Amino acid sequence: EVQLLESGGGLVQPGGSLRLSCAASGFSFSIYAMNWVRQSPGKGLEWVSVISGSSGSTYYADSVKGRFTISRDNSKNTLYLQMRSLRAEDTALYYCAKDSWSSGSYNAFDIWGQGTVVIVSS
Amino acid sequence: SYVLTQPPSVSVAPGQTARISCGGNNIGSKSVHWYQQKPGQAPVLVVYDDDDRPSGIPERFSGSNSGNTATLTISRVEAGDEADYYCLVWYPSSDRYVFGTGTEVTVL
Repeated sequence: EVQLLESGGGLVQPGGSLRLSCAASGFSFSIYAMNWVRQSPGKGLEWVSVISGSSGSTYYADSVKGRFTISRDNSKNTLYLQMRSLRAEDTALYYCAKDSWSSGSYNAFDIWGQGTVVIVSS
Repeated sequence: SYVLTQPPSVSVAPGQTARISCGGNNIGSKSVHWYQQKPGQAPVLVVYDDDDRPSGIPERFSGSNSGNTATLTISRVEAGDEADYYCLVWYPSSDRYVFGTGTEVTVL
């Protein structure tokens, strides 16, 4: 079964750091681009970042550029999101999501995890 | 700017047709994907590449895309279709994805 399992969320003070993980199983992790998407309480979906299968390319939303870093360890089938200089507005449920094609381009997200909650508050 | 505008809400009676728009500049030149999200659950892909359905998604869900508007159509609406719906587009010129503002579908 194809599965994504996020972890690492929690309560952090403004200005602090946190690293999220997403463990993948049931598919050839290394050949698919992977994404982070977040959803603030009661709000819509916001794309955060994408990384190509080979880690050669990474892209970010303007709201997190320079503060968040996406990475992956294909030997461990795990995706990461290192978050620094966290702000109250980063409070959200963070999902990891798999690209639907191994084509090297960027497509629909066909598999999502259940998310991990990040709360930024003093 | 990269803004995809959806109506905040759509109400439809059971058995009728719901149409959800996603407006963006020249969106017809992009591939649009649609997600259904029920309360407390992760989003589920219901239409990809404008008008294709993943396996397991009923034929009642269909999509179209032309000009400045993409549309998700839900035919013969059922109570179980009540959810939030989002469009998603990848913009290669700026290397970013953008989600639409989201539409809450209520089945009367």
